[in-house]
Amino acid sequence: GAGVSQTPSNKVTEKGKYVELRCDPISGHTALYWYRQSLGQGPEFLIYFQGTGAADDSGLPNDRFFAVRPEGSVSTLKIQRTERGDSAVYLCASSSGSSGRKQFFGPGTRLTVL
Amino acid sequence: AQRVTQPEKLLSVFKGAPVELKCNYSYSGSPELFWYVQYSRQRLQLLLRHISRESIKGFTADLNKGETSFHLKKPFAQEEDSAMYYCALERGSSNTGKLIFGQGTTLQVKP
Repeated sequence: GAGVSQTPSNKVTEKGKYVELRCDPISGHTALYWYRQSLGQGPEFLIYFQGTGAADDSGLPNDRFFAVRPEGSVSTLKIQRTERGDSAVYLCASSSGSSGRKQFFGPGTRLTVL
Repeated sequence: AQRVTQPEKLLSVFKGAPVELKCNYSYSGSPELFWYVQYSRQRLQLLLRHISRESIKGFTADLNKGETSFHLKKPFAQEEDSAMYYCALERGSSNTGKLIFGQGTTLQVKP
């Protein structure tokens, strides 16, 4: 079946603009994660959804970052007033459960803030 | 705070040589440990997890709580093993599945 998909694959924006990044998880996966990967670093946790609710948003760096998953499937990561330091690859992952489960990753969205 | 350290950014070996990718972690509880791999132009994928005690593509990893390590090993490296490898930790007390990743090690297997 289809894996996790993310759109767009690349996004270039100007400092101060608003962006939305979309994630389509594997059908039936209740858990969804967002990670951010800066150049030369490993993925860094941002937020975790179980169903429609954000069960853990402790990784969001500040209040410019927000994510939703209104129907428990597709999720959107929203970044307001983008800064150059937000440039990174944003990864989405989903799993059939939470603790100890295999996470299936999407291809990522490469965000560049000029 | 929980932390995962992969001390080597790059590990270069010849085909057929043994490989050991180092991973050390900092966590006072009982962790769940994973190795994820990213081949060129592919997405990040799970290679193995310590709770399964499995061998995948000839790789094994043993959790050593005394040394807080989870090194990835393979006795004979193949060119197709060339990839970026990430060690990841999930807190044993966690019910979220949130992963903490190391910085990654690039494995280069030369012919």
